[in-house]
Amino acid sequence: QVQLVESGGGLVKPGGSLRLSCAASGFTFSDYYMSWIRQAPGKGLEWVSYISTSGSTIHYADSVKGRFTISRDSAKRSLYLQMNSLSAEDTAVYYCARDCGGDCYGAFDLWGQGTMVTVSS
Amino acid sequence: QSALTQPASVSGSPGQSITISCTGTTSDDGGYDYVSWYQQYPGKAPKLMIYDVSNRPSGVSTRFSGSKSGNTASLTISGLQAEDEAYYYCSSYTSTSLFGGGTKLTVL
Repeated sequence: QVQLVESGGGLVKPGGSLRLSCAASGFTFSDYYMSWIRQAPGKGLEWVSYISTSGSTIHYADSVKGRFTISRDSAKRSLYLQMNSLSAEDTAVYYCARDCGGDCYGAFDLWGQGTMVTVSS
Repeated sequence: QSALTQPASVSGSPGQSITISCTGTTSDDGGYDYVSWYQQYPGKAPKLMIYDVSNRPSGVSTRFSGSKSGNTASLTISGLQAEDEAYYYCSSYTSTSLFGGGTKLTVL
């Protein structure tokens, strides 16, 4: 079954850290760029970061640059997001998403169910 | 930094057609050509409906179509159905991705 399953969300205090994971199955994970996209409660979607197939190309949204680190492990078919110096503004559902690849640019054709991150004291 | 602007809400009756616009400010690299559209039901993950301005992924109804003129992309839904009531987001890609604020579609 082609799917992405996120884990690692939870409640964390301001200034704290959290590491999200995304397990891929049913497709060749190493062939696809991958992204993290978040959605604050009642708000719209916000792209957070993406990583290339090899991990050599990485981009971040300005809002998380210097605090978040994206990585991947092709052997484990997994995507990660290390989040440091968290603030209330980072409270959101975090989605792992697959870039469609091929002649499809910058669109996300497979999404996980999301994992909730709540930053609160 | 570029921004994508969508109307907060649109509505239509069953059987009608509606169009959702997505307007972006021109970036230094001349604007955007890679536009995608997503449908999201409350509490659910988004679903890709259109990519590269006007292409439909396999399995997406032909009632959904995309276009672009100048700096404005559009999503048109024809033959509106009750199940189309959802939030719709546009997205553009240059070297990074950007989402519009989202549009709530109400089927009257």
